[in-house]
Amino acid sequence: QQQVKQSPQSLIVQKGGISIINCAYENTAFDYFPWYQQFPGKGPALLIAIRPDVSEKKEGRFTISFNKSAKQFSLHIMDSQPGDSATYFCAASKSGGSNYKLTFGKGTLLTVNP
Amino acid sequence: DGGITQSPKYLFRKEGQNVTLSCEQNLNHDAMYWYRQDPGQGLRLIYYSQIVNDFQKGDIAEGYSVSREKKESFPLTVTSAQKNPTAFYLCASSIGQNTDTQYFGPGTRLTVL
Repeated sequence: QQQVKQSPQSLIVQKGGISIINCAYENTAFDYFPWYQQFPGKGPALLIAIRPDVSEKKEGRFTISFNKSAKQFSLHIMDSQPGDSATYFCAASKSGGSNYKLTFGKGTLLTVNP
Repeated sequence: DGGITQSPKYLFRKEGQNVTLSCEQNLNHDAMYWYRQDPGQGLRLIYYSQIVNDFQKGDIAEGYSVSREKKESFPLTVTSAQKNPTAFYLCASSIGQNTDTQYFGPGTRLTVL
């Protein structure tokens, strides 16, 4: 059972465009939703994260939008740059008990063309 | 520099041999994790440890073993029982309970010939 579904699998965007990656989750107990960025041959790095008490969080060109009723959250990359080309993973976890367990989506390979 | 180190970056082993992957952190984090990454599969949790001398199975623990004798170290052994061990292995750590942010190491690519 895949608890976090991520789409699309791959995305090609022109420089300066907006990149949008979507995730949907099933477990209503999830209360922490991070996005990770991974470059080839490297470990993932935390990009931005949100908790369900807010509907949107912005850090620079990166914005998370969160829709609790739809159980969906998305990453928006404004003014996409070639340096943003990487694989992006959404994840989710719940606090308390085994709160350490992040459940990851399968990833989106983003290519930003110059 | 604080961070997570994994060694070696590339590892080759013959089929049927056990192999141990190293993970060290100097972040003073209580919790540590091992993930396996395969193309198109995302990250899947193998084992995790919340404190020294304690660890729990993740979603795909079969064929793997771990130990947590020191706070800063969490080695992973890939045993001969693991049917498809060739993969990219990632170690991560977090401060501890009630802290969700996980920080990842650079990974070890294991190839079994």
